[in-house]
Amino acid sequence: EVQLVESGGNLVQPGGSLRLSCAASGFTFSTYWMTWVRQAPGKGLEWVGNIKQDGSEKYYVDSVKGRFTISRDNAKNSLFLQMNSLSAEDTAVYYCARTPSGGQTLDYWGQGTLVTVSS
Amino acid sequence: QSVLTQPPSVSAAPGQKVTISCSGTSSNTGNNYVSWYQQLPGTVPKLLITDNNKRPSGIPDRFSGSKSGTSATLGITGLQTGDEADYYCVTWDSSLRAVVFGGGTKLTVL
Repeated sequence: EVQLVESGGNLVQPGGSLRLSCAASGFTFSTYWMTWVRQAPGKGLEWVGNIKQDGSEKYYVDSVKGRFTISRDNAKNSLFLQMNSLSAEDTAVYYCARTPSGGQTLDYWGQGTLVTVSS
Repeated sequence: QSVLTQPPSVSAAPGQKVTISCSGTSSNTGNNYVSWYQQLPGTVPKLLITDNNKRPSGIPDRFSGSKSGTSATLGITGLQTGDEADYYCVTWDSSLRAVVFGGGTKLTVL
């Protein structure tokens, strides 16, 4: 059974940093692109970025470029999202999702982890 | 403002059919596959349609997808109250080099 479990969400002050993790199981993690998607309270879904199987390609939404970094550890079946210079606009539930073909197909999602940016 | 345009809401009676549109440009919907997601209240998004019109295993054939030019459409027949949810279209944008979501459409089954 495919499972994705996010962790690391927390309350953080504006300008602060946070690192989210996504633990994957039930599939061969190293053979899939992986994606982060977020959803602000009461708002729609927003793609944050994705990473290729070997980490050699990464793509980000413009609003997080230069502040967020996606990485992965295939040996530990884990995906990460390092978030720096956080602002209130980054407050959201962050989901990781398995991405079979590196694009718009997100076939399994985690339950999400809440990041709140507030003083 | 989303790159992909969806109607904010649609409604129909139980048993009826509804369609949800997703309008884009040649940089996104016009030349790339479109997927659709369903997000029931308080739950995680779920993949409904991939590659414009393919249903993943377990998705009922009441759900269908199509694409023509720069517009994609999600169709739902035999509406049930359990279909009340937010629906999102998604595709790759070749100019932005990013995946883009539509703003979402709230379906109400009256």
